[in-house]
Amino acid sequence: QSVLTQPPSVSGAPGQRVTISCTGSSSNIGAGYDVHWYQQLPGTAPKLLIYDNTYRPSGVPDRFSGSKSGTSASLAITGLQAEDEADYYCQSYDNSLRIFGTGTKVTVL
Amino acid sequence: QVQLVQSGAEVKKPGASVQVSCKASGYTFSSHGIVWVRQAPGQGLEWMGWMNIYNGDTKYPWKFQGRVTMTADTSTTTAYMELRGLTSDDTAVYYCAREISLYDYAMDVWGQGTTVTVSS
Repeated sequence: QSVLTQPPSVSGAPGQRVTISCTGSSSNIGAGYDVHWYQQLPGTAPKLLIYDNTYRPSGVPDRFSGSKSGTSASLAITGLQAEDEADYYCQSYDNSLRIFGTGTKVTVL
Repeated sequence: QVQLVQSGAEVKKPGASVQVSCKASGYTFSSHGIVWVRQAPGQGLEWMGWMNIYNGDTKYPWKFQGRVTMTADTSTTTAYMELRGLTSDDTAVYYCAREISLYDYAMDVWGQGTTVTVSS
């Protein structure tokens, strides 16, 4: 089963901007399928953060933004806050299957 | 409000089966697919399969084919996931989630999770 590759961890000081990459292939992201992003706070269920590459569900701060190009996608967090410390996962579609990224832990220094 | 409420924690012995339920409310049950995702301790998210509530179609990754069955009862708006032949590797938190639409695979509503522990 295909998997999307993310960096294991990223960190930044409060107020800084961090980005998380999500690298796929020609059978998933590169084939034009949308990328979605989830935030998982410790001990809780994942929460949809970005859908269809760039859209934020109601209630998600505009500090979070998504982009997609070629076989990769990125999540950016601007004005990093302490409550952003969490695990982040990308997700896409490949050959009738839903696939998740390997996950990235964001640490606020 | 739109929500998914899952059944409680389970402890099972190796070789047994487990069924987790997912009660939906606040939306038209048959208008959205339901997926199941699991997360082993300290690990990432793993997609276990999808069900089209409207017509009953299912899709499972090869890893779970023959071992998992997803069903739904539209009269009670409840989805079910049964996993058979449990091993210690199946110890995980199991989540159900709703997909935004039948044509958009983003998961916009999640259940609270059900912990399944497999131990002799």
